[in-house]
Order: sequence, then C-alpha cells, then structure tokens
Amino acid sequence: SQELEQSPQSLIVQEGKNLTINCTSSKTLYGLYWYKQKYGEGLIFLMMLQKGGEEKSHEKITAKLDEKKQQSSLHITASQPSHAGIYLCGADERGSGGSNYKLTFGKGTLLTVNP
Amino acid sequence: DTEVTQTPKHLVMGMTNKKSLKCEQHMGHRAMYWYKQKAKKPPELMFVYSYEKLSINESVPSRFSPECPNSSLLNLHLHALQPEDSALYLCASSLASDHYGYTFGSGTRLTVV
Repeated sequence: SQELEQSPQSLIVQEGKNLTINCTSSKTLYGLYWYKQKYGEGLIFLMMLQKGGEEKSHEKITAKLDEKKQQSSLHITASQPSHAGIYLCGADERGSGGSNYKLTFGKGTLLTVNP
Repeated sequence: DTEVTQTPKHLVMGMTNKKSLKCEQHMGHRAMYWYKQKAKKPPELMFVYSYEKLSINESVPSRFSPECPNSSLLNLHLHALQPEDSALYLCASSLASDHYGYTFGSGTRLTVV
C-alpha cells in the first residue's frame, strides 16, 4: 500500500514568517491532496495536484507536485495565526483487488503560528 | 449545496446501546466514505460506497454496519461498541471514486462509555 511521509511533524513559526511542509510518497502519485484540519473538526480542502510539475496557489498558500510525482510541498507565505492547524497530505490509492479509489493520508503536520 | 452534512455532531453512548451516524450530501456525488480518526492520528478509511454499493471494507469489526439507502445518504450503524471506538467519525463524498476530489463533513465526535 502507499505510504506518505510528512515532514516536519510539527512546526512553530513567528507570524509573518514563511514555511514549507513536505509530503513524500513511496509510489507515484496520481492525485495528491492537501487538507487543513482544526483539532476535532472536519477537513478543509486546500488543493489537489495531479500533473508532474504542477503548481497551484490560493491566497498565501502554494502547493507543488514534483516532476516525478513522488513529492509535494506546501508553502505558506507571511504566515498568520489563522494558518494554524494540522496540515494533511492525502493520495489517491486504488483499493485492493482493483476496486474503487480511496484516499490515504500522511500523519500530518501541526502548525503553530505565534503572534 | 457544496457540503457534506453529518449528524449528530456529538454522541455519547453506552457499550450496550445501538445508535446511528448520518451523512448527507446533495452534490450528485456517487461515492461516499466513512473514516475514523483517533486523537493526533490521521483519518483511517473504514468503508467506501460507490453507486450505493459497498466497494471497500477495510476489515472493520462487525459492530460497525454501514448502509447507503440512496445516492445522497450514508449511515453508520453502531452496536456493542467498545471504549476504544471513541473517535471522530468523518464522512466524505466524491463525484466518482477516481481522482475528482473529496469533500469532507465536519464529523461526529463519538464517546463510548
């Protein structure tokens, strides 16, 4: 099965600083997703990447998928306290026996932004 | 409507109780999912329904029984749960089960006493 390694596990930054979270897969990625989660709440969709070299931005968050489609990065520019939370990368994986796709997750990165 | 709605938001149940979690979406999505998330862990897939048929069961104990009565509704029936089943249960849906993105609900916080 596919394994996703996220780094770092946790990150504390000062407000206004830039930061990067990485997600590395043991297999080629066919769909890579980034979600944000506040503790105990649902997942908020950030971005989906599918093509090698693809890059998407929304407000101050940019996500990239490398050419080999085995690594993705999430970059936040000029971080704010509202960016605090758990960031999860997820990957499409076909179920056993060739059945439908499922989404599997990395272990997450806990981001704290100090004012 | 671009949401997945889960009810109830919180549930406390005894080990001998029977309860159900409900998930609803009106986006025309034909794949629906149940995930379980323990504290400080990522969500783990439990079940996938595709076109109202169960397509993936990740070896979940039989005390969890999913049901998909129609394309908009997904239930999770709970019976004889254990305290270790306490977790956040998340429902998700997708247009099809194939690279079209997943929309998650806000979850049901379940406590088994």
